[in-house]
Amino acid sequence: SQELEQSPQSLIVQEGKNLTINCTSSKTLYGLYWYKQKYGEGLIFLMMLQKGGEEKSHEKITAKLDEKKQQSSLHITASQPSHAGIYLCGADASSRLTFGEGTQLTVNP
Amino acid sequence: KAGVTQTPRYLIKTRGQQVTLSCSPISGHRSVSWYQQTPGQGLQFLFEYFSETQRNKGNFPGRFSGRQFSNSRSEMNVSTLELGDSALYLCASSRTGTAYNEQFFGPGTRLTVL
Repeated sequence: SQELEQSPQSLIVQEGKNLTINCTSSKTLYGLYWYKQKYGEGLIFLMMLQKGGEEKSHEKITAKLDEKKQQSSLHITASQPSHAGIYLCGADASSRLTFGEGTQLTVNP
Repeated sequence: KAGVTQTPRYLIKTRGQQVTLSCSPISGHRSVSWYQQTPGQGLQFLFEYFSETQRNKGNFPGRFSGRQFSNSRSEMNVSTLELGDSALYLCASSRTGTAYNEQFFGPGTRLTVL
């Protein structure tokens, strides 16, 4: 079965700083999803990547999928308190999503 | 366009009881998937329904079941509740399923089993 490992598990940054979250798969990724979750709430869809080398951006968040399609990164530029939450990567695996354990992001004003 | 809705948002049950959770997908979406989220196990796939048929199933006991109606709304049922069933249950909808389709999640139902 496909396993996703996220790093770091938690991250505390000062407002305005840039940060990167990584997601590494044990198998080739055919669809990689990034979601954000506020504690105890639903998942907010951020981006979906499919092709090797693909990069997508939305506001101050950029996600990339490497050429070998086994690793993805999520980069936040000039972080704000509104970026705080849990970031989850999910992989499309046989018509179901497998998720990493999540990265807890805290942004201090 | 309305998002995915789940009812109820919170539930408290006792061991041995059964519970039914409801999920209404985004209009036009025919696939509904259910996930269980716990602190220890993270997000785990329960099952997926498409056009009223269960298309995929995760590794959960038979106490967990579901169904989908002709309007794509889905229900999930858990019988003989156990303490370990306490979790956030999330449903996700997409147009045709996960294969390269964006999946949108609802706010979840928080189930507490006492």
